Amino acid sequence: RKEVEQDPGPFNVPEGATVAFNCTYSNSASQSFFWYRQDCRKEPKLLMSVYSSGNEDGRFTAQLNRASQYISLLIRDSKLSDSATYLCVVNVNYGGSQGNLIFGKGTKLSVKP
Amino acid sequence: DGGITQSPKYLFRKEGQNVTLSCEQNLNHDAMYWYRQDPGQGLRLIYYSQIVNDFQKGDIAEGYSVSREKKESFPLTVTSAQKNPTAFYLCASTFSVDQPQHFGDGTRLSIL
Repeated sequence: RKEVEQDPGPFNVPEGATVAFNCTYSNSASQSFFWYRQDCRKEPKLLMSVYSSGNEDGRFTAQLNRASQYISLLIRDSKLSDSATYLCVVNVNYGGSQGNLIFGKGTKLSVKP
Repeated sequence: DGGITQSPKYLFRKEGQNVTLSCEQNLNHDAMYWYRQDPGQGLRLIYYSQIVNDFQKGDIAEGYSVSREKKESFPLTVTSAQKNPTAFYLCASTFSVDQPQHFGDGTRLSIL
C-alpha cells in the first residue's frame, strides 16, 4: 500500500457544485495532515491544515478519520478559480519519531462555467 | 517580505555539465528541502537538511549534491551523473518536520 493515495481525477464539475476528495494514508501513527493546492506549472501552496476535530475555512472543509486512515476535503459552491490540483500531505512516523511530509500525487479539479 | 527565493526560474544544462540551483529563505526556518516534480507526477524528495552543516538523502538523491553552510541557503547541484535532469525543481522550508512546508516558485531545468 502506498503511503499516501489519492484519486488522480480529473473531477469535472460545474460552477456552484459541491465536490469532495478523499485521501488514504498507510501509517497509523501519522500526526500531521495538510491539503495543498497546486496550479498548473506553479509551486504547491498550503490550503489548510487538517485537525482531529475537523476544520472549515470559508467554502472549504477538511476532516480526518483516524479509524479508517483517511482525510477529506469538501469544496462548496465551486468557483472557476478553484480549478487546480489538490495535494494530500501526511507526516509519516518511523519508529516513533516524526519523519518528513509525504505528498500525494494530487487530485485534479476542473470547474466549468 | 518573508519568503523563499529560488533562482534561476529557467535553466538549461549542456551534456556533461554540472549546474547549481539556488534556494534562499528569510523565514528563519531550520529545515529545508529539495523536491523534483516531473510532468503529471507527484513531488519526490531529493535531499533535506534539518540543521546547518547537516543534510540527508531523500528518495532520489543519486546524481545530486547539496550543501548547508548557512541557515538561509540550501543550494542544489545537478551533476552530470544525473542522466535525466529535465524537471521542475522545488525548494521548501519549515520550522519543524511536522509543520507545513512553504515553497519557492521553482526552477525549470531542461537539457540543451
